[in-house]
Amino acid sequence: GDSVTQMEGPVTLSEEAFLTINCTYTATGYPSLFWYVQYPGEGLQLLLKATKADDKGSNKGFEATYRKETTSFHLEKGSVQVSDSAVYFCALDHQAGTALIFGKGTTLSVSS
Amino acid sequence: GAGVSQSPSNKVTEKGKDVELRCDPISGHTALYWYRQSLGQGLEFLIYFQGNSAPDKSGLPSDRFSAERTGGSVSTLTIQRTQQEDSAVYLCASGDDSFEAFFGQGTRLTVV
Repeated sequence: GDSVTQMEGPVTLSEEAFLTINCTYTATGYPSLFWYVQYPGEGLQLLLKATKADDKGSNKGFEATYRKETTSFHLEKGSVQVSDSAVYFCALDHQAGTALIFGKGTTLSVSS
Repeated sequence: GAGVSQSPSNKVTEKGKDVELRCDPISGHTALYWYRQSLGQGLEFLIYFQGNSAPDKSGLPSDRFSAERTGGSVSTLTIQRTQQEDSAVYLCASGDDSFEAFFGQGTRLTVV
């Protein structure tokens, strides 16, 4: 069945460091891919998405490119801030009529 | 605007009791999801409703778990004869045709 694998955390960085959180997926066909973020004490919210191969999703300085050849959707940010500290979840949605499948989440902690 | 509302926000129950968790989705959203979030386990899919289609119950962990969605809107997740391993945060989300899921704040269930 469909699945998402993301790098285990926690990831600890200093402010202004470069961030990469790896995400790979297993799915038949062409799923839509998502990154969700959960800030401390808040609910999950969509960070960015890509619906087809080679699409790049971006938001709040974060980017991820849908790579069909490597079945990956790695999250990157060039300069993290303390306010980026959160848990990040990679997810896929195969098509209407199926549920979102999430990875286990990666905790990011950014210190000043 | 109104987001996804879940109630109660916290629930403590004795082992063996039944509990009901409620989700009020965003008006007009046809998709509704229930997930369970346990420490270190990420988001575990439970059940998915899409419009008038039969729900995808493939994630329910046992027959003690059930869910219904009345009138295509409010959903109730019921856990019968609760066990300590049921302790978790139960998340509800609703979605539209864009595949984006909007999450509620969750219900933290503690079985003592």
